[in-house]
Amino acid sequence: GAGVSQTPSNKVTEKGKYVELRCDPISGHTALYWYRQSLGQGPEFLIYFQGTGAADDSGLPNDRFFAVRPEGSVSTLKIQRTERGDSAVYLCASSSLAESGEQYFGPGTRLTVT
Amino acid sequence: GNSVTQMEGPVTLSEEAFLTINCTYTATGYPSLFWYVQYPGEGLQLLLKATKADDKGSNKGFEATYRKETTSFHLEKGSVQVSDSAVYFCALTGLDTGRRALTFGSGTRLQVQP
Repeated sequence: GAGVSQTPSNKVTEKGKYVELRCDPISGHTALYWYRQSLGQGPEFLIYFQGTGAADDSGLPNDRFFAVRPEGSVSTLKIQRTERGDSAVYLCASSSLAESGEQYFGPGTRLTVT
Repeated sequence: GNSVTQMEGPVTLSEEAFLTINCTYTATGYPSLFWYVQYPGEGLQLLLKATKADDKGSNKGFEATYRKETTSFHLEKGSVQVSDSAVYFCALTGLDTGRRALTFGSGTRLQVQP
C-alpha cells in the first residue's frame, strides 16, 4: 500500500514568511509524528498526535511552530515568521498502536529559509 | 532525559569486511531500541528492533543485541556489500514510560568500497 507522503518535497522561503508543510500518513495509522533533521544530525522530535489531538508537543522549539491534524489523518506543520535557523528537512512518520514503536517515515520536506 | 550516542563516521570498509557500529543509550525504565537506515536519496526505514533486554534484532544480515547491563545496542554484519552504503541511526522509545517519540543518535555514515 501507499507509504507516508509529504508535500512539498522542497520549499524555499524568505525570512519572516509563513510556511505550511503537509503530511499524509499511512491509512489507518492513528499515531503521527513530526521530526526535524538538520544536516549531519539525527532527526529531532517536534510533536506527536494520537488521533486528532496533540499527545506530546514537548519538542516544538517555540511558539512560531504549530501543527494540526483536524480529522485524524492528514497533518499540517505551520511555521510563522520563519528564520534562517529553521532551515532543515522536516520528516513525518506514522505508526499503529500495535507496532511496538515502529514508525514509518515519509521522504521529508526540505525547507530553506533565505 | 533520553539520549543515544553513536560512533562518529564515516566508516569506510571494503566489501565482505565485518561491520560494527557502536551505540549506547541513556534512558529511564526499559526502552525499546531500533536501528534505522537511510539509503542515498531515500527516506528513513526501520532496519531492526529489540523491545526487551537480551533480545536480538536481525534483518538483511544485520544483527544487534539489547544489552541492558552495558546500555548498548551495537549493530553488526558479518560481510558488508556495496549496497549497504548508507547512514545508520540508532534510536529508542520509552513506550513503558509513555514516551512514544523516537530519540535518535546523530547517525553513522557507512561507505563500502568494491
